[in-house]
Amino acid sequence: SAVISQKPSRDICQRGTSLTIQCQVDSQVTMMFWYRQQPGQSLTLIATANQGSEATYESGFVIDKFPISRPNLTFSTLTVSNMSPEDSSIYLCSVKKGANYNEQFFGPGTRLTVL
Amino acid sequence: GENVEQHPSTLSVQEGDSAVIKCTYSDSASNYFPWYKQELGKRPQLIIDIRSNVGEKKDQRIAVTLNKTAKHFSLHITETQPEDSAVYFCAASNNNNDMRFGAGTRLTVKP
Repeated sequence: SAVISQKPSRDICQRGTSLTIQCQVDSQVTMMFWYRQQPGQSLTLIATANQGSEATYESGFVIDKFPISRPNLTFSTLTVSNMSPEDSSIYLCSVKKGANYNEQFFGPGTRLTVL
Repeated sequence: GENVEQHPSTLSVQEGDSAVIKCTYSDSASNYFPWYKQELGKRPQLIIDIRSNVGEKKDQRIAVTLNKTAKHFSLHITETQPEDSAVYFCAASNNNNDMRFGAGTRLTVKP
């Protein structure tokens, strides 16, 4: 498996501000993912972040709203920009281990509340 | 892209009974099918997975079956215990793409 940490674990933010979430992994991984999980819902992929290339966003998510950085193989950040109450959710980073393995592991999540 | 359907959305069983959760997928290229357990306020935890080259896998009280022809796979939990109560997610992926999740099943095991 992988040891994944996220900061902050939770935050309460004002409308119109931005929050950057950090994800740290204990080993080098090629593929990192950012998911959103709204209360009582499933996991929705926001984007895939591979080191050395721009993030790939899923339909409904854009770079201006959710800019992502992937400076190295153990770290990534997701910024939620110009927040509105609809952005209130849990944001989780996730990694796949190994080139031929599909196992995917999740960070503890960041619970975001936008007032 | 891949679409994963999961049923039922809620499931309530008596302690000691079995629980079965079913999923279907749409992309015939999918070859990896994990199941995650998410307790309240916690991250999803991988509990068992199956690859497309096998039809069944078992780990103590949990088992997963896969029918590639029909594009469906199931999670079976036997001798359920109250600590099995959680939300369970199925997912599907292949080597080249990210994972798509089912909508989740809230399992309640009554003591």
